[in-house]
Amino acid sequence: RKEVEQDPGPFNVPEGATVAFNCTYSNSASQSFFWYRQDCRKEPKLLMSVYSSGNEDGRFTAQLNRASQYISLLIRDSKLSDSATYLCAVTPGSARQLTFGSGTQLTVLP
Amino acid sequence: GAGVSQSPSNKVTEKGKDVELRCDPISGHTALYWYRQSLGQGLEFLIYFQGNSAPDKSGLPSDRFSAERTGGSVSTLTIQRTQQEDSAVYLCASSKKVGLTKETQYFGPGTRLLVL
Repeated sequence: RKEVEQDPGPFNVPEGATVAFNCTYSNSASQSFFWYRQDCRKEPKLLMSVYSSGNEDGRFTAQLNRASQYISLLIRDSKLSDSATYLCAVTPGSARQLTFGSGTQLTVLP
Repeated sequence: GAGVSQSPSNKVTEKGKDVELRCDPISGHTALYWYRQSLGQGLEFLIYFQGNSAPDKSGLPSDRFSAERTGGSVSTLTIQRTQQEDSAVYLCASSKKVGLTKETQYFGPGTRLLVL
């Protein structure tokens, strides 16, 4: 079983739709959780850190469920510019390097 | 401010040759990471440097891979006797850990390596 698993998609949604991604992790001692966005042939860029209490940044909401060991990302009122691959990342245990999921591809259609 | 920079941006080499990839982290960042991203494997950790501590090499796939970080700043990833399966995008990231706050890693644009 992979340490971090994501549904690879692709997710094709119309503009204005709400879309949610989930990511599960296997190491219960994982400390930090992140969502990164990666555009085609570009480097990953941090979208949001994920906090235990959940956090929101504009149209984006991230949540952490430690009991079930998953994190989620909700995008409301999706825009064409949201089209990208979304990567979840976890620091397993006391390690500081990130373990990434394989990414979920999102395409927002006009 | 300046972000993480990497060079070269693209590298084509022949199987069996050695290559060196360079990373300049964000000024003041004490931690530096190397990852690689390939189609079949996703984004995987290679090696991590923190200040003057011994690096965490647990992600290096073979002894053909090595890295050093001089003066706590610039890092070079060296791949000896390259193989076709080494073809990937090599990404460098840096971070600045402050107390117990979450540490954000910022990525460079990567070096695309193609081994023929």
